[in-house]
Amino acid sequence: DGGITQSPKYLFRKEGQNVTLSCEQNLNHDAMYWYRQDPGQGLRLIYYSQIVNDFQKGDIAEGYSVSREKKESFPLTVTSAQKNPTAFYLCASTFMAQGYTEAFFGQGTRLTVV
Amino acid sequence: DQQVKQNSPSLSVQEGRISILNCDYTNSMFDYFLWYKKYPAEGPTFLISISSIKDKNEDGRFTVFLNKSAKHLSLHIVPSQPGDSAVYFCAALSTSGTYKYIFGTGTRLKVLA
Repeated sequence: DGGITQSPKYLFRKEGQNVTLSCEQNLNHDAMYWYRQDPGQGLRLIYYSQIVNDFQKGDIAEGYSVSREKKESFPLTVTSAQKNPTAFYLCASTFMAQGYTEAFFGQGTRLTVV
Repeated sequence: DQQVKQNSPSLSVQEGRISILNCDYTNSMFDYFLWYKKYPAEGPTFLISISSIKDKNEDGRFTVFLNKSAKHLSLHIVPSQPGDSAVYFCAALSTSGTYKYIFGTGTRLKVLA
């Protein structure tokens, strides 16, 4: 059963801690993305990656880091430098092919700072 | 600078009537536009897309219209059903260069039974 899996669904972080959100896809997609959603706001792009071992900053990359060591995996680390990390985080992936446009999303991880 | 805008945060429509959701963009380099539907605490699901070389795409109850000269697109849902109640996001994609999706802020649609 192909899809994109985010874990955990809920995550609690203490002030000053780093946490890592997992994103795995078995769709053989080329590109992967991380978005953040805050209440009443849209989806803001944190980082994206088009190929293995390469990634680019999105609009709100400060306080976050990523890696793309394998095509199917794109973990996001929320560092202590992120001042307001409480949010709903969404991972997405897609083929980079002519005429193919749809990005698939995972079910999201809700991160709460306690 | 917001490249994709959805200026209506919410919309209420009677069941059976038409729902029209609007989206504006600023970047002429976008070559695809997409609509996603999202329920609370879930990931968005893809609804329909349109290429920048077309002005209309239809899929069942959903039709997307694109007006390139106005940099405007709209999603029409006919007839609207209570199950359509959700947040709808407009997204734009440029396939040359960065290949990233830019999303609007969303419109919450409520279909009243």
